[in-house]
Amino acid sequence: QLQLQESGPGLGKPSETLSLTCTVSGGSISKSTYYWGWIRQPPGKGLEWIGTINYSGSTYYNPSLKSRVTISVDTSKNQFSLKLSSVTAADTAVYYCARPRVGGAPTYAFDIWGQGTMVTVSS
Amino acid sequence: EIIMTQSPATLSVSPGERATLSCRASQSVSSNLAWYQQQPGQAPRLLIYGASTRATGIPARFSGSGSGTEFTLTISSLQSEDFAVYYCQQYNNWLTFGPGTKVDIK
Repeated sequence: QLQLQESGPGLGKPSETLSLTCTVSGGSISKSTYYWGWIRQPPGKGLEWIGTINYSGSTYYNPSLKSRVTISVDTSKNQFSLKLSSVTAADTAVYYCARPRVGGAPTYAFDIWGQGTMVTVSS
Repeated sequence: EIIMTQSPATLSVSPGERATLSCRASQSVSSNLAWYQQQPGQAPRLLIYGASTRATGIPARFSGSGSGTEFTLTISSLQSEDFAVYYCQQYNNWLTFGPGTKVDIK
């Protein structure tokens, strides 16, 4: 059974870079055509897609965040990672990693989600 | 960017009653529309994709309809575990979510 688990610091300072990792278990990133995504949710608010990546490193980013986002993949560790630069309080959110239901589709309905990790940006 | 809107913001329903939730896209998304349920403190759960196809393990009381810019999620007979927030999401042009509809107990 495929499972995703986010990890990373729960607190960051304004202007710094936020770094999170999603570890995939129960399946191999490198042996599938699936894309792997990041989605966030500010406290009490709705969901925002950040971007997706596949095993070969092809990435798709939300245009509104593209200038600050880097998503990378480490197939040897079965992980993919998110870096968000120049963070502000507005980046405070629960960050989820997730997998689309269909392989080969960078944007689709996500049917497998991690539990999420809360990141607070504060000085 | 395709803007998704949902109505109503809050829907108060009694257990056993029918709930109808609406989602509208600012431009056509064809049938590339999904619905999610989110319970407090939990990740979203995929209910419907392709506007009307139930995801694996989703009860038949959940149904989706619509295409283009107008979509509906219907819960035929609300169970206690159905009181939650529901989001629509388009994946026709990048990916955007609606603001959500909270279904609470009347």
